[in-house]
Formats: sequence, C-alpha cells, structure tokens
Amino acid sequence: AQKITQTQPGMFVQEKEAVTLDCTYDTSDPSYGLFWYKQPSSGEMIFLIYQGSYDQQNATEGRYSLNFQKARKSANLVISASQLGDSAMYFCAMREALGAGSYQLTFGKGTKLSVIP
Amino acid sequence: GAGVSQSPRYKVAKRGQDVALRCDPISGHVSLFWYQQALGQGPEFLTYFQNEAQLDKSGLPSDRFFAERPEGSVSTLKIQRTQQEDSAVYLCASTTSPGSRVQYFGPGTRLTVT
Repeated sequence: AQKITQTQPGMFVQEKEAVTLDCTYDTSDPSYGLFWYKQPSSGEMIFLIYQGSYDQQNATEGRYSLNFQKARKSANLVISASQLGDSAMYFCAMREALGAGSYQLTFGKGTKLSVIP
Repeated sequence: GAGVSQSPRYKVAKRGQDVALRCDPISGHVSLFWYQQALGQGPEFLTYFQNEAQLDKSGLPSDRFFAERPEGSVSTLKIQRTQQEDSAVYLCASTTSPGSRVQYFGPGTRLTVT
C-alpha cells in the first residue's frame, strides 16, 4: 500500500518570504505521480503542482516548485514570496492505479500554513 | 467555466436517518470520484465511476454507503441509517478521461450526524 507522510501539522511564514512544506512517500511502484493540493477554508481542493517519477526536472508552476528527491522519497513543496492568500491547508498526494486506466489519490494528513502580515 | 458543484453544502442528520449527497461534475467529464474527509485528516477514496459504470467501490466503509451515476453525469452518494462516525466532509472530483492527471474537486458537503 502506498503511504504519504506530512510531518508538519502547522507552519508559519512571514509575508513575502519563502516556505517549504515537507512530504515523504512510500511506494514500490517504479512509476508514480505526486501532487500538491491547496484547501482553503471554503473546502475546495485546488490543484497546485504535479511531479512524475520519471520527470527529469523538478516541477514548477508560478510561485510553486516541487523539490523532488527520488532517492530520499521526498517531494517538498516550496512556495516563494508568500502572500496572505496562501494561508490554507496543503495536502501532498500520490496517485494509485484503479481499474480501467484511472487513478485514485492517496493523501497525507496535511499542513496548515499561516502567512503573517 | 463551471466547476464541480455539490449540494447541499451542509447537512445535519439525526442518527439513523438516510441522507443523499449530490455531485454535478464538470460537463463532459467521464470520470467521477467520491472521497471522505474526516476532521483533521486528508481525503480518503470511496468510489469511482467511469460514465455510468461504478468501476471501483473498494473504499466504501460499509454497506450503508451507496453511490450511483445513472446517466453518466450527476452522481448521488447515499448513506443509510447514518452513524456518528459518518460525520465528515464528502468531496466529489471529476476528470476529463480515465487517465487524466488532475482531479478537479467540488467544495464538498459537510455532514454532521447528531
């Protein structure tokens, strides 16, 4: 079974500074995908960034980047230039194959990020 | 464009009541997923539909949980004889096709069983 571990229940960051949210994973599949989602207080899960296990470069999407260290099985999210609107829960997830070519997501417990003005 | 919508957003049920939660996926999305998110936890997979076919229901916690998607668009998650442990946020997600990378989530339905 696949497993996602997020060891930081809560994090604080000063506005305009960078912050790293930790995620480690465990899988025996050679091919896998890792995601980060943001969940604001409204409840909706918002996709941020994706990293495939065979991707040669670390993924980046605007202010978000993924520090992917395959040998250490870690996929940390880096948010640069934090904004007040970044305050939310952040979930790391791994996709797990279902039948018929689809995938479910297995999530960690999340990290609550609070951005301080 | 319209995203995934869910209704009701909040539901309070007395223990033993039946509830029905609705999900409207993004138009044209073939795949639909239901997840359960307990307080302070990440979402956990419940069930998966490809069009109207329920291809995986391995995450449903008991036979009191039932999901359907009869016309391959709107889906309903039904919980019979609700118990306090059913209190959670129920999230629906959809994707354009089975192999699509990103799942798009709705705002969820918060169910409280008293």
